[in-house]
Amino acid sequence: TQLLEQSPQFLSIQEGENLTVYCNSSSVFSSLQWYRQEPGEGPVLLVTVVTGGEVKKLKRLTFQFGDARKDSSLHITAAQPGDTGLYLCAGATGGFKTIFGAGTRLFVKA
Amino acid sequence: DVKVTQSSRYLVKRTGEKVFLECVQDMDHENMFWYRQDPGLGLRLIYFSYDVKMKEKGDIPEGYSVSREKKERFSLILESASTNQTSMYLCATSDIRVDQPQHFGDGTRLSIL
Repeated sequence: TQLLEQSPQFLSIQEGENLTVYCNSSSVFSSLQWYRQEPGEGPVLLVTVVTGGEVKKLKRLTFQFGDARKDSSLHITAAQPGDTGLYLCAGATGGFKTIFGAGTRLFVKA
Repeated sequence: DVKVTQSSRYLVKRTGEKVFLECVQDMDHENMFWYRQDPGLGLRLIYFSYDVKMKEKGDIPEGYSVSREKKERFSLILESASTNQTSMYLCATSDIRVDQPQHFGDGTRLSIL
């Protein structure tokens, strides 16, 4: 069974702090996606990483795909209250199915 | 812009009822998915469909069925609702090409009393 483990499960920080969220698996994925979900809404795609070692930046968010394509990280610089939400990583398996992690719930206090 | 619309945001039903959750998409995607989302468990795939009238079981299909009579509409059916089916249900779509990201609706929070 393919699993994606996210850590930490919950993170509460002050505005302006930096943080990193991790997504790990023993399986190799053809690509990995990060989604953000706000309360009462569905997940929204932030980024897709495809190549081992790839780094993508989206304003204050930096996403990295591990060299072996088994893990990924999301780093947020100078977090803001608007970053509050549930962050989900999802691994694509080369078919129709996508494996989702359980998510990291981030709360940024003003 | 991609739009996935779920028929209800909140739904309350009684044990034993037959429940229908509807999902409509407007981007002409071939693939459609139904997930349930529970705290600490993430998104678990119930069923998916890669074409009209085609369906495949996901990881937790027991107690559910689906229907896809038209490309844009994918229905999830709880044949006889039970309290352990209380959850957030999310519909998603993706392009036919493999490994494409999924586009989600806003979810239906279903409570079974």
